[in-house]
Amino acid sequence: DVKVTQSSRYLVKRTGEKVFLECVQDMDHENMFWYRQDPGLGLRLIYFSYDVKMKEKGDIPEGYSVSREKKERFSLILESASTNQTSMYLCASSSGTIANEKLFFGSGTQLSVL
Amino acid sequence: DQQVKQNSPSLSVQEGRISILNCDYTNSMFDYFLWYKKYPAEGPTFLISISSIKDKNEDGRFTVFLNKSAKHLSLHIVPSQPGDSAVYFCAARRTSYDKVIFGPGTSLSVIP
Repeated sequence: DVKVTQSSRYLVKRTGEKVFLECVQDMDHENMFWYRQDPGLGLRLIYFSYDVKMKEKGDIPEGYSVSREKKERFSLILESASTNQTSMYLCASSSGTIANEKLFFGSGTQLSVL
Repeated sequence: DQQVKQNSPSLSVQEGRISILNCDYTNSMFDYFLWYKKYPAEGPTFLISISSIKDKNEDGRFTVFLNKSAKHLSLHIVPSQPGDSAVYFCAARRTSYDKVIFGPGTSLSVIP
């Protein structure tokens, strides 16, 4: 079974802090994604990566950056956390092309920015 | 501007009955549609999909119907079981090179 592991289940940070969300997958997948889930808005794509050191903006990249130095690890960075970034963050991975519909998700990190 | 819409935030169904979850989309370029299921404290998992060249796809108790002219799809669960209680996300993509776009989700409660 594919395993996508997110480093923290819950995280509480202060406004202005730099926040790192880590994600690791163990199936040698080429593609990795960061989504945020908000009530009434569903899953919105922040950034994705189709190869090591490659990254592409999703639908809501503002206020975020990412890093993919190794194939199995994809990090989401909030340079200066703000209260509107309080959300559930979900990491996912997939094989093949970016359009592969079978995404494997981690359990999520609930981030609260105070 | 949501391209994938799920207008019912929640749905309650009696165990053994049919659950029907609806999804509408605005982009006529979508050619592939999916449903994901999410339990609390877990990530979403892929459930079932349908290509735009079909109007129905079945997998056990789950059937997805696609009406392209109406830009509407639905997920039928028959019979519904308490373990089906979860949030269901409808999703779509435009081409075989494009990323998946998710709807807001519908929370299904199956009452024993």
